[in-house]
Amino acid sequence: GQNIDQPTEMTATEGAIVQINCTYQTSGFNGLFWYQQHAGEAPTFLSYNVLDGLEEKGRFSSFLSRSKGYSYLLLKELQMKDSASYLCAVRDLTDSWGKLQFGAGTQVVVTP
Amino acid sequence: DTGVSQDPRHKITKRGQNVTFRCDPISEHNRLYWYRQTLGQGPEFLTYFQNEAQLEKSRLLSDRFSAERPKGSFSTLEIQRTEQGDSAMYLCASSSTGGRSNQPQHFGDGTRLSIL
Repeated sequence: GQNIDQPTEMTATEGAIVQINCTYQTSGFNGLFWYQQHAGEAPTFLSYNVLDGLEEKGRFSSFLSRSKGYSYLLLKELQMKDSASYLCAVRDLTDSWGKLQFGAGTQVVVTP
Repeated sequence: DTGVSQDPRHKITKRGQNVTFRCDPISEHNRLYWYRQTLGQGPEFLTYFQNEAQLEKSRLLSDRFSAERPKGSFSTLEIQRTEQGDSAMYLCASSSTGGRSNQPQHFGDGTRLSIL
């Protein structure tokens, strides 16, 4: 199985940058996903990394280092609507059906 | 694309009752997953279908839980003889197999179950 660790909560001001770290341990890594979840709503897909390096999508970027078992999600130019929980999820090679193991989520609070 | 829909959104029931939830995946998606999420935690995998075949069940899924996807389209999750510990958000997700391994799972808004 996997152990997935991410900080419980982070606070930042509007317009700033926040970096959410995720560390994982897995017997056979096969991809890492980031999801955003607003309270009472469905998790929505943000990004996917399977190779080392940075993937950029507008204000959001995600980085992966497989050798370190480490990823981060970077949120730039923070907006109030970015206040949400951010979930790191890992897929294992042994789970050929695509099952995801999720971290507990990082609650990001954006202040004016 | 109407997204993944789940019904009902909320269910309140007494301990010991049976409950059934429904999930309608995105129409072209052949993979369907059920997860459970409690407050302050990430979703936990429960079970997975590819078309109508249930291919994996988590050890979290006791004998009181059963899931079906009879025609490879919508799915139902039934909990028999509910217990206090069953109170949670039950999330359904779907994805396509596609040619690329990075097909993300798309989640519904979930069914929130409260056991009195």
